[in-house]
Amino acid sequence: DGGITQSPKYLFRKEGQNVTLSCEQNLNHDAMYWYRQDPGQGLRLIYYSQIVNDFQKGDIAEGYSVSREKKESFPLTVTSAQKNPTAFYLCASRAETETQYFGPGTRLLVL
Amino acid sequence: GDSVTQMEGPVTLSEEAFLTINCTYTATGYPSLFWYVQYPGEGLQLLLKATKADDKGSNKGFEATYRKETTSFHLEKGSVQVSDSAVYFCALIRNDNFNKFYFGSGTKLNVKP
Repeated sequence: DGGITQSPKYLFRKEGQNVTLSCEQNLNHDAMYWYRQDPGQGLRLIYYSQIVNDFQKGDIAEGYSVSREKKESFPLTVTSAQKNPTAFYLCASRAETETQYFGPGTRLLVL
Repeated sequence: GDSVTQMEGPVTLSEEAFLTINCTYTATGYPSLFWYVQYPGEGLQLLLKATKADDKGSNKGFEATYRKETTSFHLEKGSVQVSDSAVYFCALIRNDNFNKFYFGSGTKLNVKP
């Protein structure tokens, strides 16, 4: 089955630690996205990538970094510079049309 | 700027009741409009979409009509089920920039048996 996978489902971060969230898709989509969701709020765009080896900052990129070395993969690193990382992180991808398809999410918690 | 406003929740209904979740938008040009659904602890699933004025999107008994004159895209279902309990997000995307989604804040629906 085609789809988007995110791992891990839950992730714990210690103070000063960088952590990386995985996002993989086998939909052959060119564009991929990372969103942050806080309780009772909508989604906010962190980073997006329209093509391999290229990515753009979204609305809340500070404290995060990404890479896009392969079409299928778009990992997100939450750095120690992100002072309030506790949230639900959602990865999405898009084909040529406007519709984005979402993964199951990773919940990041701070120890 | 572009934005989406949806009714605050939670919305609590009894099974088989009629559902309306209001969504209005502000956008330049002619955006595409979406409803996504999020079940507890999961990602967002596309429920339905409409890409031009007067289009009706429908799926699983849910419907929404793209009304340009009222800048609205209200979600309706004639008879809700307990399994419809979830958070519903209205969203728009401008057709000149497919990389910028504008999401509403979500409306939580609780359906009681």
